[in-house]
Amino acid sequence: QVQLVESGGGVVQPGGSLRLSCAASGFTFSDYGMHWVRQAPGKGLEWVAFVRYDGSKTYYGDSVKGRFTISRDNSKNTLYLQMNSLRTEDMALYYCAKHVDLEDWGQGTLVTVSS
Amino acid sequence: VVMTQSPLSLPVTLGQPASISCRSSRSLVYSDGNTYLYWFQQRPGQSPRRLIYEVSNRDSGVPDRFSGSGSGTDFTLKISRVEAEDIGVYYCMQGSNRPPLTFGGGTKVEIK
Repeated sequence: QVQLVESGGGVVQPGGSLRLSCAASGFTFSDYGMHWVRQAPGKGLEWVAFVRYDGSKTYYGDSVKGRFTISRDNSKNTLYLQMNSLRTEDMALYYCAKHVDLEDWGQGTLVTVSS
Repeated sequence: VVMTQSPLSLPVTLGQPASISCRSSRSLVYSDGNTYLYWFQQRPGQSPRRLIYEVSNRDSGVPDRFSGSGSGTDFTLKISRVEAEDIGVYYCMQGSNRPPLTFGGGTKVEIK
């Protein structure tokens, strides 16, 4: 049974940093690319970033490019999202999702950006 | 690629059919001949769940009352007979012209 468990969300001031984690189990983590997708309160889904199965390549949405970094540790079956220079518009529920085509999702972790 | 869904809101009667449209600003036929168009369901208070991949393939465990169709730039998700558990927001997403992946704005299915 695939499980994806996000953590690391919280309240941060504008300009601050936060690191999200996504612990994976129930599948061979190192075989799959992984995504971060976010959802602002009451809004739709926005793709944030993707990392290839081996971490060799990463891709970002325009709204986070240069501020966020996606990475992974295949020895720990964990996906990360380092978020710097946070803005109020980054406030959202952040989901990790498995495989290029988002076949499984976690329950999300909430990031609140507020002074 | 911009994904446009309609309608924004879809009031339905239980047991009746429902249909959601999704249009892309560019053809979603990829160079390998496949079309990477997906449908996701998000029930109230839950994470999104993939229902359909590559236009018309149902994911494991998805009831056969859900069906996807379409080609090129026009796609449709149909529910043959709406049940109470189908209430929620439905999103289409394209993966043919990535990055980025892009989602439609969502269609809220609610009971009439």
